[in-house]
Amino acid sequence: SQTIHQWPATLVQPVGSPLSLECTVEGTSNPNLYWYRQAAGRGLQLLFYSVGIGQISSEVPQNLSASRPQDRQFILSSKKLLLSDSGFYLCAWSVGVSEGTDTQYFGPGTRLTVL
Amino acid sequence: SQQGEEDPQALSIQEGENATMNCSYKTSINNLQWYRQNSGRGLVHLILIRSNEREKHSGRLRVTLDTSKKSSSLLITASRAADTASYFCATDAVMDTGRRALTFGSGTRLQVQP
Repeated sequence: SQTIHQWPATLVQPVGSPLSLECTVEGTSNPNLYWYRQAAGRGLQLLFYSVGIGQISSEVPQNLSASRPQDRQFILSSKKLLLSDSGFYLCAWSVGVSEGTDTQYFGPGTRLTVL
Repeated sequence: SQQGEEDPQALSIQEGENATMNCSYKTSINNLQWYRQNSGRGLVHLILIRSNEREKHSGRLRVTLDTSKKSSSLLITASRAADTASYFCATDAVMDTGRRALTFGSGTRLQVQP
């Protein structure tokens, strides 16, 4: 069966510090991968998605970047965090045969607080 | 901009009652999905209904889709305290990059009182 992991679960970082959040998927090959951010009490904002190794699409211009160094690994990064980067970050995957509009499977999320 | 929006934003009911949540969207879709999120956790897929379907059932869940009104509803029958969560609809939409991707509404927060 497929599983998706995210770490860390919570993170408190000072403004201006770097960020690296990792997401890995097991039990499937060539998945579509996604990073979302969720503000408190709000819906999900799609940040990045990837249809393959080294292929990243950014949906929202921002202070963050994403990379996919391996088929089932997706990394969210920042060189210098801003206060506005605080939020709940969710990684998700879907079967990689469509444009990513079919069922998505989410990780447990990372709660990021920037102080 | 968000493609789908849920209504109501919050709903409080007693255990055993039915809960109905609605979702409206703006542009044509290939499918519409409902997800559930427990507080501080990831989203869990509940059900997907395709644009050529009008109704779908899964256990105590019933989803309807009216493409002429660009709306969907999620009905949870005989609710339980464990159904307490936020419920999101997601629709596929064309993003700024020109690709289609899922967009999520702001959710309905359901509280089921024991």
